[in-house]
Amino acid sequence: GESVGLHLPTLSVQEGDNSIINCAYSNSASDYFIWYKQESGKGPQFIIDIRSNMDKRQGQRVTVLLNKTVKHLSLQIAATQPGDSAVYFCAENPSGYSTLTFGKGTMLLVSP
Amino acid sequence: DTEVTQTPKHLVMGMTNKKSLKCEQHMGHRAMYWYKQKAKKPPELMFVYSYEKLSINESVPSRFSPECPNSSLLNLHLHALQPEDSALYLCASSQPWVQSTDTQYFGPGTRLTVL
Repeated sequence: GESVGLHLPTLSVQEGDNSIINCAYSNSASDYFIWYKQESGKGPQFIIDIRSNMDKRQGQRVTVLLNKTVKHLSLQIAATQPGDSAVYFCAENPSGYSTLTFGKGTMLLVSP
Repeated sequence: DTEVTQTPKHLVMGMTNKKSLKCEQHMGHRAMYWYKQKAKKPPELMFVYSYEKLSINESVPSRFSPECPNSSLLNLHLHALQPEDSALYLCASSQPWVQSTDTQYFGPGTRLTVL
């Protein structure tokens, strides 16, 4: 299940389950969104991105959904594996700016 | 190849020391970034270089001094740091944002400890 700790929301799942990580973004002008995976002691790793003219994009075992009406982004991971355990950050890019605004992050814990 | 390299991997320094962090990419990207990341927090932008020129400084204290010697290299010079500056320092690169769709690729980071 999902819990909100002192610093980082955590999602705990069993191996083989599908995981859904949610993100609420703040800027209605944002037109590009990215999901990053960050394992302990490593830098953020690009997973998948989506532009604001799309509402769904699929990669290998991952799907990103974008709902601009409610400013919501989600990352779905199919058949979650222990190697998927990490912190996941969403990031948005406000149109016309060369910076990313990161969400607070969600820790995904996958039990064998 | 989407690799950004950073050296050193770990750095311990005293408050009176001067040290430098280095970042390199060979993806032909012309935008490079420094971020600071505290434990269990998202990365916080410090500096942005676009075409080797500083384009964004997010009100970073002057004890952090960035430098972009060429299109592949980015340095962060450190002097008179405070213990609260201890963090993971991340470098990233991308194509300069033309239509806001160019992904930033991150290096592994330098874990900095200030004593």
